[in-house]
Amino acid sequence: GAGVSQSPRYKVTKRGQDVALRCDPISGHVSLYWYRQALGQGPEFLTYFNYEAQQDKSGLPNDRFSAERPEGSISTLTIQRTEQRDSAMYRCASSLSEKLFFGSGTQLSVL
Amino acid sequence: GQQLNQSPQSMFIQEGEDVSMNCTSSSIFNTWLWYKQDPGEGPVLLIALYKAGELTSNGRLTAQFGITRKDSFLNISASIPSDVGIYFCAGPLKDSNYQLIWGAGTKLIIKP
Repeated sequence: GAGVSQSPRYKVTKRGQDVALRCDPISGHVSLYWYRQALGQGPEFLTYFNYEAQQDKSGLPNDRFSAERPEGSISTLTIQRTEQRDSAMYRCASSLSEKLFFGSGTQLSVL
Repeated sequence: GQQLNQSPQSMFIQEGEDVSMNCTSSSIFNTWLWYKQDPGEGPVLLIALYKAGELTSNGRLTAQFGITRKDSFLNISASIPSDVGIYFCAGPLKDSNYQLIWGAGTKLIIKP
């Protein structure tokens, strides 16, 4: 597509529920990143894919967070047993180089 | 560890004024990136710098890669209302060719 597309744009969930956030990167971009951004802060790295391979997941906060990109295109970030502290803006970015192109993000609110 | 410190944290300026902001670190960077984030949107790359001393312009924006490689500056000339937003500097984490670290941003507000 023309840009990085993320869905849903907003997600409100109850504590303890699982959520899945979707990212559709720019066509042809081999690199895909997930970031989390708190209000008033810069993006915080979560994980990185090169094609379908998850090269780095060192930024995932704990084992409730996981991500996949099975066919090297669309990626899903899954948070299991959500907690209130998981509430944040989750952003996906794709790139061909160090120049990242970001999506508009999914604003997750855990009640 | 590596950190990027941006200043000022926020700026209130009049339309038409020039703006200067900077990003500093105690670590050396080989690349400096400046992004702008509009409300409700993801950051968008403005300028990329790859060489110490490099001065690069993008319209009314000019950015410089500091000689020490520990700082970078962004200037906006003759600000207009659409310049409002948060400006982030970012640079590659040491020994990584993909992971960026980010400053906390400089929020630009234009007084009517």
